[in-house]
Amino acid sequence: AQSVSQHNHHVILSEAASLELGCNYSYGGTVNLFWYVQYPGQHLQLLLKYFSGDPLVKGIKGFEAEFIKSKFSFNLRKPSVQWSDTAEYFCAVNAGGSQGNLIFGKGTKLSVKP
Amino acid sequence: NAGVTQTPKFQVLKTGQSMTLQCAQDMNHNSMYWYRQDPGMGLRLIYYSASEGTTDKGEVPNGYNVSRLNKREFSLRLESAAPSQTSVYFCASSPRHLGGLWDNSPLHFGNGTRLTVT
Repeated sequence: AQSVSQHNHHVILSEAASLELGCNYSYGGTVNLFWYVQYPGQHLQLLLKYFSGDPLVKGIKGFEAEFIKSKFSFNLRKPSVQWSDTAEYFCAVNAGGSQGNLIFGKGTKLSVKP
Repeated sequence: NAGVTQTPKFQVLKTGQSMTLQCAQDMNHNSMYWYRQDPGMGLRLIYYSASEGTTDKGEVPNGYNVSRLNKREFSLRLESAAPSQTSVYFCASSPRHLGGLWDNSPLHFGNGTRLTVT
């Protein structure tokens, strides 16, 4: 079965630190990849997505993610985090399965200390 | 620009009670989805409606029913609530169903309904 793994449950950083959140998926075929962010008390919002083309994808608020097909990975990065980046981050994969829905990872909670 | 609207925002039920969660979108999207979010579990799909007039089971459909009332509205019903259904429920919509690899349409989420079953 398709699955998405996010390696870290909770990451704590100080402001200006660099961020990398891991995401691996298990599917051998073509995929569409997404990162969603959920700020405290809010709904999920799309951060960025990969469909095809350049494997380095830039999203909103200075986030970027790199699709490495050989590693089945789609890690999220930001060079310098801010307190306002405190949120939960979800990786999601659309592999066009029978249900045709996004498979979400369990999420990584990011806490940024001012 | 409302997007996806869910009601109610909060609800407390006793075991065995029934209720319906409402969801409406004003983006003329074809596809709508119900997810539940539980700590450490991420989001899991309950039911979805790829287009008006169709509904299908997702990963965790047991104990739920849905109705795609029209293109705008997609409701989720708990016939006999159980404590295991305590969760945050999110409705989402998409311009097209996510089943095609040629389609990278993202999901647009509502603000969620926090349900507690005692």
